[in-house]
Amino acid sequence: EVQLVQSGAEVKKPGESLKISCKGSGYSFTSYWIGWVRQMPGKGLEWMGIIYPGDSDTRYSPSFQGQVTISADKSISTAYLQWSSLKASDTAMYYCARQGGTVDYWGQGTLVTVSS
Amino acid sequence: DIQLTQSPSFLSASVGDRVTITCRASQGISSYLAWYQQKPGKAPKLLIYAASTLQSGVPSRFSGSGSGTEFTLTISSLQPEDFATYYCQQLNSYSWGFGQGTKVEIK
Repeated sequence: EVQLVQSGAEVKKPGESLKISCKGSGYSFTSYWIGWVRQMPGKGLEWMGIIYPGDSDTRYSPSFQGQVTISADKSISTAYLQWSSLKASDTAMYYCARQGGTVDYWGQGTLVTVSS
Repeated sequence: DIQLTQSPSFLSASVGDRVTITCRASQGISSYLAWYQQKPGKAPKLLIYAASTLQSGVPSRFSGSGSGTEFTLTISSLQPEDFATYYCQQLNSYSWGFGQGTKVEIK
C-alpha cells in the first residue's frame, strides 16, 4: 500500500527555523517526484515545488523560490520542506504528494503555526 | 506560468442535481489536467486524471471532459457525501498549478 506519512504539527515563533518531513512507503521512492503544497487557513491549494529523490532534481514555484528549501534523503525514503526564518504568514497546512503520470497519493498534512 | 480559472467559485445544489464545474487554462495544456475533491481537514482526493480518466475507486457519477484550454467536471447526481470543495490541477513541464476551487454546498 502506497503511503506518505508526514511529521506532526508544529508551533513556532517568528524567526525560528523548521524542517518538516514526508516519508514514503509501499513504492519505489526514487522513481516518483514528490511535491509540496501549501494551504493557508480557509484558502486554496498552492504548489510550492517538487523534487525527484532519485537524483535530487528540484524545481520551485516562482512564488516560493528562495523562501523554502526542498530536499530528500533517498536512503530513508523521506522528503523535506524547510524554512530558515519563519514568518507569521507561513502559518498553514502543508501537504506532500506523489507525482507519477498524475498526482495520486497525498500525505495527511502538517499544520505549521507561527505565532509570537 | 499557466493560470487555471474555475467557475463558479461557489455552487449551491440539491441532492440528485447534475452539477458541472468548468476549468479554463490560460494556454493549452493538452489533457494534463486532474480534478480533486477536498473535505474540511482532509487532504485532497484524486477523482479524475488525464482530463477524463476516472481514478480507481471513484464513483462513476463523476466524469471529466475537455482538452486544450477548457475542461469540465460533471457530477451526474449529487450525493450527500459530494458536498466539498473541488480543484482542478495542471501538470506541465515540472510544475503544477491549481484552480482557485469551487465550493459545493447544500441548497
